[in-house]
Amino acid sequence: EPEVTQTPSHQVTQMGQEVILRCVPISNHLYFYWYRQILGQKVEFLVSFYNNEISEKSEIFDDQFSVERPDGSNFTLKIRSTKLEDSAMYFCASANYEQYFGPGTRLTVT
Amino acid sequence: GDSVTQMEGPVTLSEEAFLTINCTYTATGYPSLFWYVQYPGEGLQLLLKATKADDKGSNKGFEATYRKETTSFHLEKGSVQVSDSAVYFCALSDRTQGGSEKLVFGKGTKLTVNP
Repeated sequence: EPEVTQTPSHQVTQMGQEVILRCVPISNHLYFYWYRQILGQKVEFLVSFYNNEISEKSEIFDDQFSVERPDGSNFTLKIRSTKLEDSAMYFCASANYEQYFGPGTRLTVT
Repeated sequence: GDSVTQMEGPVTLSEEAFLTINCTYTATGYPSLFWYVQYPGEGLQLLLKATKADDKGSNKGFEATYRKETTSFHLEKGSVQVSDSAVYFCALSDRTQGGSEKLVFGKGTKLTVNP
């Protein structure tokens, strides 16, 4: 059964550093998403991506964040200058109708 | 904006006990409703869904009914198993937005079932 994969499973970085979280969506899916979950809080929508452009983004998704689908298979989330409050679990999802989620990347900013 | 409120956990039950996890929502449009489950070390998996009032979603013995009058979508299972131990998330998507239909999640409820 096809699945969404994410790498790395855990990333530790220092405040101010750039991080790139990687996702490989299911191959025939057209819609792509990033969500995050700060420990003990809700899963929050960050951004959706369709037809090689952002279709919707939340107020969390400020200028520090960017997404890219560089090669038609990977889907990446970049955080340019990480802050302590960016520490969270980041989930990628892909869909044609139903959203399929990856296992998440735990980002720890120290 | 749209929001989902679900029962705080953790919930601990014995095997074969009855499970209810409450979920209520607020939405400006007419949302679709979902329950997702996250087993340890895995991603979120769709458990069941309902797209209109009075629809009942069901899967693996779990059920939830879309109640528009009470804006609720409570998850139930008649007899839980140890393998049901997981975190359960209630979610909605606002179909009136069209296109990407992002999901709005509740906080999640951790269920532990003891033998």
